[in-house]
Amino acid sequence: GAGVSQSPSNKVTEKGKDVELRCDPISGHTALYWYRQRLGQGLEFLIYFQGNSAPDKSGLPSDRFSAERTGESVSTLTIQRTQQEDSAVYLCASSLSVSSTDTQYFGPGTRLTVL
Amino acid sequence: AQKITQTQPGMFVQEKEAVTLDCTYDTSDPSYGLFWYKQPSSGEMIFLIYQGSYDQQNATEGRYSLNFQKARKSANLVISASQLGDSAMYFCAMREGAGSSYKLIFGSGTRLLVRP
Repeated sequence: GAGVSQSPSNKVTEKGKDVELRCDPISGHTALYWYRQRLGQGLEFLIYFQGNSAPDKSGLPSDRFSAERTGESVSTLTIQRTQQEDSAVYLCASSLSVSSTDTQYFGPGTRLTVL
Repeated sequence: AQKITQTQPGMFVQEKEAVTLDCTYDTSDPSYGLFWYKQPSSGEMIFLIYQGSYDQQNATEGRYSLNFQKARKSANLVISASQLGDSAMYFCAMREGAGSSYKLIFGSGTRLLVRP
């Protein structure tokens, strides 16, 4: 079946503009995660959604970052007033449920460049 | 303190030989999971292998095996019979137990280059 998809694959924007990144999880996966990967580094957790529970936003770096998810479907990560330090690859992952054994499957990422 | 440590920024291995990528972790949670992901130059994260903290045996998946030493808090990835397509970044990650949203905590990665 289809894996996690993300759009756009690349986004170039000017400093100060808002951007919206989209993630389509694997069908039936209740948990959805957003991560950020700066050049040459590992992934940093941003936010987590599980069904209708309150999201875990503990990884969001500032109030310019927000995310939404409707039910168990698409999620959107929004970055307002982008800064150059926001340049990174933003990866979305989904898992079947929430347990320490469930594998997270990643999308191809959105490469964001802020000029 | 870092929760996941990968001390090898880069590794070389000859094609068809085995290679071990190191990973140590730090947690006080008795329930956790350890994962290895491969990230080729295309950028996607590919799940390789999983080890649970309560698993009695080391995990294996094809040419991948995980050398899990719980007392030493290490979870090294062993790739046997290396292939040119194994050249990539490899990330070790940990997921702690209940109450942590099960987010993955990643190490800084090891870049593996397989020589022909």
